[in-house]
Amino acid sequence: GAVVSQHPSRVICKSGTSVKIECRSLDFQATTMFWYRQFPKKSLMLMATSNEGSKATYEQGVEKDKFLINHASLTLSTLTVTSAHPEDSSFYICSASGTERAYEQYFGPGTRLTVT
Amino acid sequence: RKEVEQDPGPFNVPEGATVAFNCTYSNSASQSFFWYRQDCRKEPKLLMSVYSSGNEDGRFTAQLNRASQYISLLIRDSKLSDSATYLCAGGGNTGKLIFGQGTTLQVKP
Repeated sequence: GAVVSQHPSRVICKSGTSVKIECRSLDFQATTMFWYRQFPKKSLMLMATSNEGSKATYEQGVEKDKFLINHASLTLSTLTVTSAHPEDSSFYICSASGTERAYEQYFGPGTRLTVT
Repeated sequence: RKEVEQDPGPFNVPEGATVAFNCTYSNSASQSFFWYRQDCRKEPKLLMSVYSSGNEDGRFTAQLNRASQYISLLIRDSKLSDSATYLCAGGGNTGKLIFGQGTTLQVKP
């Protein structure tokens, strides 16, 4: 149980384009999903928290107009990196938690974004 | 001061050794704690939850010391396959987790 998928696993895009990343909980209803970014040899940095049907809560320093988050259902959240720049290149990972064991987060496999 | 701190290592140990990692947290309101394992270029995977006085799962034992605000992970009889980065995380009642930067373990034959 507690399987989370993420798509795409890898994406290369040109500077100025937008990229959408999907995060799905496959066998449970995710009341909350989290989006993280991880640079090489660094820790996971929480970008935002999203609850189904409501606006995401962004961490300090994360631009909400640049990183658009939508959590339209209990099994799907999307992160769109708008007008991507090379400094946005990173490993983006989502996680999800459900109503049972609400404090445990299960991670998707991550999306490696490279902006050229 | 970082909210969750870990010694990044690396810890290089021989197979069969016992190794322990500590993780300190600064927010005394933190309620739940976890150890995650992360392999290179992969996502973190939940290793153990540490809710109260600690728990044990096979070769792995996690302890929580609220008075000193740290959690620990003990790995007995290390295997080559234990080589990975171990992340500790603490959370409050919002469900958010704050992660440490991870401790790298390298088990040598």
